[in-house]
Amino acid sequence: GAVVSQHPSRVICKSGTSVKIECRSLDFQATTMFWYRQFPKKSLMLMATSNEGSKATYEQGVEKDKFLINHASLTLSTLTVTSAHPEDSSFYICSAILTSSYNEQFFGPGTRLTVL
Amino acid sequence: QQQVKQSPQSLIVQKGGISIINCAYENTAFDYFPWYQQFPGKGPALLIAIRPDVSEKKEGRFTISFNKSAKQFSLHIMDSQPGDSATYFCAADGTGGGNKLTFGTGTQLKVEL
Repeated sequence: GAVVSQHPSRVICKSGTSVKIECRSLDFQATTMFWYRQFPKKSLMLMATSNEGSKATYEQGVEKDKFLINHASLTLSTLTVTSAHPEDSSFYICSAILTSSYNEQFFGPGTRLTVL
Repeated sequence: QQQVKQSPQSLIVQKGGISIINCAYENTAFDYFPWYQQFPGKGPALLIAIRPDVSEKKEGRFTISFNKSAKQFSLHIMDSQPGDSATYFCAADGTGGGNKLTFGTGTQLKVEL
């Protein structure tokens, strides 16, 4: 159990376009999901906390108008990178909290975004 | 302080040896300490976790040792195998979990034949 999926796994887009990444909890409901960004050989950097039915909470330095988060249901959160630029190229990872298991976080497989 | 300091940055161990990765924290409000394993191009996977009410937790070849007074915890991988080659992250969370994880900087482990 406690499987989190992400779609797409890889995406290449042109500069200036918007890209949507989906994060789904497949076998459990998650009122809270997190979005992380990871650069090569670096640790995970928390971008925002996504709460079902309410606005996301962004970490300091993360542009909320740039990285739009929607958590419309208990199993789905989406991250939209708007007007993407090459510096937005990164590995984006989501996680979901399993409240029935001491609030452990389970991570998705990640999405590799490349902006040309 | 929200930092979690992790060492070493990289580690090479011979097959069958013991891999040891250390982490230290400063925030005494942390009460949940998970370790994650990450393979290239994949998301982190929860390996093992400990809470401060115990000093050691063992699951198969993986053991967490926790020293509350020193605010340190470590991961020991016994009988290390080439398949264990991955990046390992320690993390810490406060107020019983469910809050934001603070990650260590990661350790790249390579297990050689």
